[in-house]
Amino acid sequence: DVVMTQSPLSLPVTLGQPASISCRSSQSLIYSDGNTYLNWFQQRPGQSPRRLIYKVSNLDSGVPDRFSGSGSGTDFTLKISRVEAEDVGLYYCMQGTHWPWTFGQGTKVEIK
Amino acid sequence: EVQVVESGGGLVQPGRSLRLSCTASGFTFGDYAMSWFRRAPGKGLEWVSLIRSKANGGTTEYAASVRGRFTISRDDSKTIAHLQMNSLKTEDTAVYYCNREGTNPWGQGTLVTVSS
Repeated sequence: DVVMTQSPLSLPVTLGQPASISCRSSQSLIYSDGNTYLNWFQQRPGQSPRRLIYKVSNLDSGVPDRFSGSGSGTDFTLKISRVEAEDVGLYYCMQGTHWPWTFGQGTKVEIK
Repeated sequence: EVQVVESGGGLVQPGRSLRLSCTASGFTFGDYAMSWFRRAPGKGLEWVSLIRSKANGGTTEYAASVRGRFTISRDDSKTIAHLQMNSLKTEDTAVYYCNREGTNPWGQGTLVTVSS
C-alpha cells in the first residue's frame, strides 16, 4: 500500500498568518493517464469531512481561495494564506492513484 | 443539489452483521462510482470500499482490513448503495460515510459500534 506521511501532525497558528502542511507519498502518484490523484480533506470539529482540493491543486466548489495545493510526484503541500478561526480542524491528504486509496495521519490545526 | 444520507448504523456484538445504506439524490446515480469511508474514534480517515458504475463494470474495491467481510452493492433504480458488514470486529467501530467517488458532499455519517 502507498504510505502517506503528513507533517506536522499538530500545527498551532496565529489568526491571519499563513500555514502549510506537507504530505509525502511512498511512491509516485502520477497515474497512467498523466493525472496525479492527490486530494486534501478538511474535517472541522463535530462536522463531516469535506474535500478541499483534488488532483493536487484544484479547489472544490465553495472552498475559499486562501487554500491552495501544490506539488508533484511524491511531495505535496497544502497552504492556507491567512488562517481564519473556521479553519480549525483536521486536515488529511489522500491518494487516489493506487488501490487501496490511502490517507495521511492527519494534521490538527489549532489557533494559538 | 447533490445529497447523500447514510443510515443503518447501531450497536452490534462482535461477530454479528449490519447493513449500511447510502441514499443519494440530486445527480444521475447510475453514472457514478460510490464509495464508503470511515473514521474510528481517536483515529484518522480510512477509505473502506468503492463500487464502480455499471458502465464501468460495476466492479468493487476493498481495503485490506475489510476484504472478505464487507460487501458493497448498489441499486441504481433506488439510488442506494449498501455496505453489508459481516463478522464485525471491535476495530470496525467508527462513523461511516458514503459519497460519490470521494467527492463532496459527504453525508452526516452513521455510527457503528461493535461491542459486547
